[in-house]
Amino acid sequence: AQKITQTQPGMFVQEKEAVTLDCTYDTSDPSYGLFWYKQPSSGEMIFLIYQGSYDQQNATEGRYSLNFQKARKSANLVISASQLGDSAMYFCAMRGGGGTSYGKLTFGQGTILTVHP
Amino acid sequence: DTEVTQTPKHLVMGMTNKKSLKCEQHMGHRAMYWYKQKAKKPPELMFVYSYEKLSINESVPSRFSPECPNSSLLNLHLHALQPEDSALYLCASSQPSGREQFFGPGTRLTVL
Repeated sequence: AQKITQTQPGMFVQEKEAVTLDCTYDTSDPSYGLFWYKQPSSGEMIFLIYQGSYDQQNATEGRYSLNFQKARKSANLVISASQLGDSAMYFCAMRGGGGTSYGKLTFGQGTILTVHP
Repeated sequence: DTEVTQTPKHLVMGMTNKKSLKCEQHMGHRAMYWYKQKAKKPPELMFVYSYEKLSINESVPSRFSPECPNSSLLNLHLHALQPEDSALYLCASSQPSGREQFFGPGTRLTVL
């Protein structure tokens, strides 16, 4: 079974500062994918960044980077230069490694990020 | 077109009503998903269609009936729902072997 753990129910950051959102995972699949999604109050899930289990380098997408530590089974999201529009719920998710579970996304409980001006 | 659309945005229905949620994508994706999300909780997978065939049903009650009439459309038929079924219903699509799933804006359902 796969499991995603986000231990920070809420985080606060000052505008223009960097913030790290924690995510740990557990799986027995050797091949898996890790995702971060942002969900504003409007409800839409916005894809931010992806890390494959065999990727050698940490993923980056603009102001988002994923700190992937495979041995520790962690996939923390780093947001640099926070903006007011970054205030939202953030979900870490894992996709199954194969077979019928391949399309399934397992989500963590989420972290509510609030950016202060 | 890199968008998943969902209609309606909001839906209020009684427990005896029959209604349908609609999801559409024109990205050529061959996998489509329905999720249910309660407030401040993560989305929970309900159904997965791959190449227009139901591939995953997460033990969802039969009052929810999915349908995939073609590769671009996904419907969720609702009948005899309960108030606890009130939630945000999210549709998503991807390539079956693809990376990320692209989500629609959701339908906020209230069952009275």
